[in-house]
Amino acid sequence: ETGVTQTPRHLVMGMTNKKSLKCEQHLGHNAMYWYKQSAKKPLELMFVYNFKEQTENNSVPSRFSPECPNSSHLFLHLHTLQPEDSALYLCASSQGPNTGNNEQFFGPGTRLTVL
Amino acid sequence: AQKVTQAQTEISVVEKEDVTLDCVYETRDTTYYLFWYKQPPSGELVFLIRRNSFDEQNEISGRYSWNFQKSTSSFNFTITASQVVDSAVYFCALSEVRGAQKLVFGQGTRLTINP
Repeated sequence: ETGVTQTPRHLVMGMTNKKSLKCEQHLGHNAMYWYKQSAKKPLELMFVYNFKEQTENNSVPSRFSPECPNSSHLFLHLHTLQPEDSALYLCASSQGPNTGNNEQFFGPGTRLTVL
Repeated sequence: AQKVTQAQTEISVVEKEDVTLDCVYETRDTTYYLFWYKQPPSGELVFLIRRNSFDEQNEISGRYSWNFQKSTSSFNFTITASQVVDSAVYFCALSEVRGAQKLVFGQGTRLTINP
């Protein structure tokens, strides 16, 4: 595998379910990101992790819980979501802060539908 | 606060026409990065270009060219001799040079190239 991978690609869940999204990067990067892309809205940054430490939480509701066990893996744990949380969730990675190279490489996304 | 505006929500042209996607940004930083990403129907954001604010040279890559005008805070993207495969949503983005280097995205322009 190369680049940034995300699983699953599609997920349908009920409001009472608990599920997790997984992201893995094979680029040797130190920073990882979660974005939410809703219909007709700009991409919204949710979380930023640098060297496994969370450095940004963009006022995301607690029903979204990120986890970064190492620099290559990032999870987004979901519980008691609302239908308005249905969106494309994109993961990205970059070399890290203060490296002079902040190009972010994106995964293919998980299309989430909350019923 | 940083802001990116892509005033063109949708553009539709016939194949082989030239098309320009506009991007206007706002920032108080004296140095910053500007980006363009392409999002095809598959959903993955594909990195196209990064431009540092102190480098105002225009860039050409094949059929793609970028015009950076710091005086008007614009970073426009032109596709020459468009092809059907260019159909996608294109995002302009801005980030700080230091710190978290968060990307702030515009709302995107949906480009449709008709055969």
